Amino acid sequence: GNSVTQMEGPVTLSEEAFLTINCTYTATGYPSLFWYVQYPGEGLQLLLKATKADDKGSNKGFEATYRKETTSFHLEKGSVQVSDSAVYFCALRSNTGNQFYFGTGTSLTVIP
Amino acid sequence: NAGVTQTPKFQVLKTGQSMTLQCAQDMNHNSMYWYRQDPGMGLRLIYYSASEGTTDKGEVPNGYNVSRLNKREFSLRLESAAPSQTSVYFCASSDRLLTGSTNEKLFFGSGTQLSVL
Repeated sequence: GNSVTQMEGPVTLSEEAFLTINCTYTATGYPSLFWYVQYPGEGLQLLLKATKADDKGSNKGFEATYRKETTSFHLEKGSVQVSDSAVYFCALRSNTGNQFYFGTGTSLTVIP
Repeated sequence: NAGVTQTPKFQVLKTGQSMTLQCAQDMNHNSMYWYRQDPGMGLRLIYYSASEGTTDKGEVPNGYNVSRLNKREFSLRLESAAPSQTSVYFCASSDRLLTGSTNEKLFFGSGTQLSVL
């Protein structure tokens, strides 16, 4: 079956610190992988995506590389800002269906 | 461009009451979804509609019904609300999945916070 496992939170970092949020997946076939972000009081928004192995998704300074050999899609940012405080969800979409599968979310708080 | 619009934003129900959550999208998407979000559990799929005229159960369908009224609208109904249905509900939509398609993202509404007392 399809599933996503995310590192547990919450994560608290100082401004300009390096961020890594781990994500691994189980899927049949060749899924597309996504990171979504949810700011307080809002719905989820797509942050970045990768549709095949070795692709790197990037947006707003965040990056994640689709690693098929380790079934991982870890989110990284070199220097976080207070405005990055949000909940981050890793997700996959199977290429054999029309459903998304989400991880449990990781809450990030960045303090000045 | 409104995107995905959900109503209401907040609702309080008593156990046993019924209500319908409304969702509409203006992006001509084929697929629509209802998720619930609970602390420590992320998003769980309740029902989805791959295309107009079809609906399918997701991970947690019990206690819910859905209607894909037309291509734009996808409603979620609670016939007899229970406290376990206290949650934040999100509607989402996406393009139809095509092999090799690069436009594969979900567009979310802003959510409905439902409390069942």
